[in-house]
Amino acid sequence: GEDVEQSLFLSVREGDSSVINCTYTDSSSTYLYWYKQEPGAGLQLLTYIFSNMDMKQDQRLTVLLNKKDKHLSLRIADTQTGDSAIYFCAESITDGNKLVFGAGTILRVKS
Amino acid sequence: KAGVTQTPRYLIKTRGQQVTLSCSPISGHRSVSWYQQTPGQGLQFLFEYFSETQRNKGNFPGRFSGRQFSNSRSEMNVSTLELGDSALYLCASSLGTRTNEQFFGPGTRLTVL
Repeated sequence: GEDVEQSLFLSVREGDSSVINCTYTDSSSTYLYWYKQEPGAGLQLLTYIFSNMDMKQDQRLTVLLNKKDKHLSLRIADTQTGDSAIYFCAESITDGNKLVFGAGTILRVKS
Repeated sequence: KAGVTQTPRYLIKTRGQQVTLSCSPISGHRSVSWYQQTPGQGLQFLFEYFSETQRNKGNFPGRFSGRQFSNSRSEMNVSTLELGDSALYLCASSLGTRTNEQFFGPGTRLTVL
């Protein structure tokens, strides 16, 4: 089945690292994505990882994938107040160009 | 390179009316997908069009329909509006390849009264 789960809320202090977790159920997912949504805006693609990779790093962002446990995480180093937003994990379902999203994690960064 | 544009940005309709939303994808992108975002159901896939053909469809009633034109611009239509159709409708464009990097527009906020 298709289901993606995320924790709902994370609060961190400015300068700390943030780790947002996600689990998915579809073992046939080939790509997994992280999107960011700021208030009143659409979704911004942050990064994605192919299912045969364990890790991907892109500047302050590190994605870790544990395919055995179907667990995905996004680490944001040196978190800034501008990182406050909702973060969505999504999996790409093989039957076409369809993304299944988690409910989103609200990240609040305290200065 | 211009991003994905959606028009209108805001719409207010009454129950029973119909509405048409428009999406212009990034130049060169042939795939357009539509998603509905609500506080209760989150982000849900509506359908995807690629080269003017519907390639995939989500679990929405037939009141939700769409089409794509030869220039890849897409429209979605909702007929006989219900209060529960109030949502942010997001359009995403991509090349349609396997990496499936989808780039989203700002959305159309539809309110049904």
